[in-house]
Amino acid sequence: EVQLVESGGGLVQPGGSLRLSCAASGFTVSSNYMSWVRQAPGKGLECVSVIYSDGSTYYVDSVKGRFTISRDNSKNTLYLQMNSLRTEDTAVYYCARHTTYYYYLDVWGKGTTVTVSS
Amino acid sequence: DIVMTQSPDSLAVSLGARATINCKSSQSVLHSSNNKNYLAWYQQKPGQPPKLLIYWASTRESGVPDRFSGSGSGTDFTLTISSLQAEDVAVYYCHQYYSTPRKTFGQGTKVEIK
Repeated sequence: EVQLVESGGGLVQPGGSLRLSCAASGFTVSSNYMSWVRQAPGKGLECVSVIYSDGSTYYVDSVKGRFTISRDNSKNTLYLQMNSLRTEDTAVYYCARHTTYYYYLDVWGKGTTVTVSS
Repeated sequence: DIVMTQSPDSLAVSLGARATINCKSSQSVLHSSNNKNYLAWYQQKPGQPPKLLIYWASTRESGVPDRFSGSGSGTDFTLTISSLQAEDVAVYYCHQYYSTPRKTFGQGTKVEIK
């Protein structure tokens, strides 16, 4: 079964760090384009970062320089290292798989909640 | 960035009635190389992740009931639920995957039972 399971969320103070993990099963992370999509409370969906199958990465401006997306091929796991967290980073973070190249998102995890608050 | 604007923000529909959601993109998402519209629709129920319903503007994902249909081309798209069921209460999002690297979503449309 194709599945994504996120972990690593929690409560952190402004300026703190968290590392999110997304364990994949049923497919190979490194063969796909993979994204982190976040959803602030009561708000819509925002793609914050993507890692291409060739390892290239992209970040939305609001997280550039603070977040780092990576993957561990041996563990078939995607990561999002989040540093210098701000209150506006509070959201549910989903990892998701793009189907065939960099098209629509066909597999989503259940999400992990990040709360940035003092 | 391509801006996706959905309308309405919310709608209440009677059980068994038709629900129509519109999505407009700030520029065309029709790719001339393959004549495909790079537009998807997702359904999100409370406390759940988004679920893919429609891709290439009108292709239903496997397992999605045929009461869901997508139409449109270029910059204007529609998601139609032909006969609303109680389990269809959710927020629906359109999503353009035409532009690279940034893909963008509409703001969402909340569908409720009248």
